[in-house]
Formats: sequence, C-alpha cells, structure tokens
Amino acid sequence: AQTVTQSQPEMSVQEAETVTLSCTYDTSESDYYLFWYKQPPSRQMILVIRQEAYKQQNATENRFSVNFQKAAKSFSLKISDSQLGDAAMYFCAYRSAGTSGSRLTFGEGTQLTVNP
Amino acid sequence: DTEVTQTPKHLVMGMTNKKSLKCEQHMGHRAMYWYKQKAKKPPELMFVYSYEKLSINESVPSRFSPECPNSSLLNLHLHALQPEDSALYLCASSQAWWDRVPYEQYFGPGTRLTVT
Repeated sequence: AQTVTQSQPEMSVQEAETVTLSCTYDTSESDYYLFWYKQPPSRQMILVIRQEAYKQQNATENRFSVNFQKAAKSFSLKISDSQLGDAAMYFCAYRSAGTSGSRLTFGEGTQLTVNP
Repeated sequence: DTEVTQTPKHLVMGMTNKKSLKCEQHMGHRAMYWYKQKAKKPPELMFVYSYEKLSINESVPSRFSPECPNSSLLNLHLHALQPEDSALYLCASSQAWWDRVPYEQYFGPGTRLTVT
C-alpha cells in the first residue's frame, strides 16, 4: 500500500516571501500521479498542481511549483511571492496509474499561515 | 461550470433522526464520491459511484446509505448516526473513475454534520 507523509504539520511565511512544503511518499509502483490540494478556511478543496511520475520536468502553475525527485520519492511544493489568500491546509496526494481507480492517498496535511 | 454544490451547509441531527445530504454537479462527470473529513485531518473516502453504479464502499457502516439517482446527483442518507459521525462530509466528482488519465477531482464545499 502507498503512504504519503507530510512532516510539517504547520508552517508560516511572511507575505511576499517564498515557502516550501514537504511531501514524501512510499510506493513500489513506477507509474503514478502526485497532487497538491489546498483547503482554505472556506473548506472547499481545490487542486493546486499535479505531476505525472513519467515526466522529468517539474510542474509549475503561476506562483506554485514542485520539486519532484522520483528516486528520493519526494514531492515538495514551493509557493513564491506568498499572498494572504494562500493561507490554507495543504494536502499532498498520490494516485496510482494502475488498477486501483482514481483513489487518492492523502498525507496528513500542512497548515500554512501567511503573516502580513 | 466547474462547480460541485452540496446542501445543506450545516446539519444538526439526533441519533434517532433520518436525514439526507445532497450533492450536484453539471460538468458531465461520470464518477462521484463521498468523503468524510474530521478536523485537521485529510478526507477519507467512503463511496465511489461510477456511471451511476456503486463501485467502491470503503466498509462504511450501514447507517450511511448512498444513492445516485442520475449522473448529476448524489445523495447520502443518514440514519441512527452516532456522535462520532460528526464531521465534514465532502462530495467530489471527476470525469471518470476507472481511467489511467489523472482526471482532477472537483470537491464541493461540504456539509458540516453534528450528531447530538
């Protein structure tokens, strides 16, 4: 079974600065997908960014980028120019590309605070 | 329209009550999900419907009864709940469940359930 670990229960960052959230995972599969989801206090989870394991290039979405290290099974999220609206719980998630459907395995989450 | 709607937003019910949660999407998605989320924890998958048929039941107690009347609607019927069932119940949808393409799961805002 796959596991996802987020070792930072809480993080804080000053507005306009950069912060990196860590995520490691354990799998024996070679083909899979990784996601970062954001859940602000309004509760609605939204997808921030995703990475296909077969792609060597790190995914980027505006101020959000990932550092995907397949051999190390690491998938960190970098938020540049942090904004107050970035404050949320961030979940790292794993999805097999095999026969287990679209099941997501989530990490425990990192609560990000953005200080003005 | 990339919206998943859920009603009600809040629900308080006694242990002998019967109530229902409702979820709706109009994105043409053929997979719909129910998740349970406790405070500061990741969502836990409960049920998955694929093409209006129940595909996954994660050993959820029978006091939770899902229903998918059509491809846009998903209900969760609640009966004889326990206080420990108090949680945020999230609905989500995606284009498909059994597919190698990592379709995004779109989440609704959730229903905050309190069992007294």
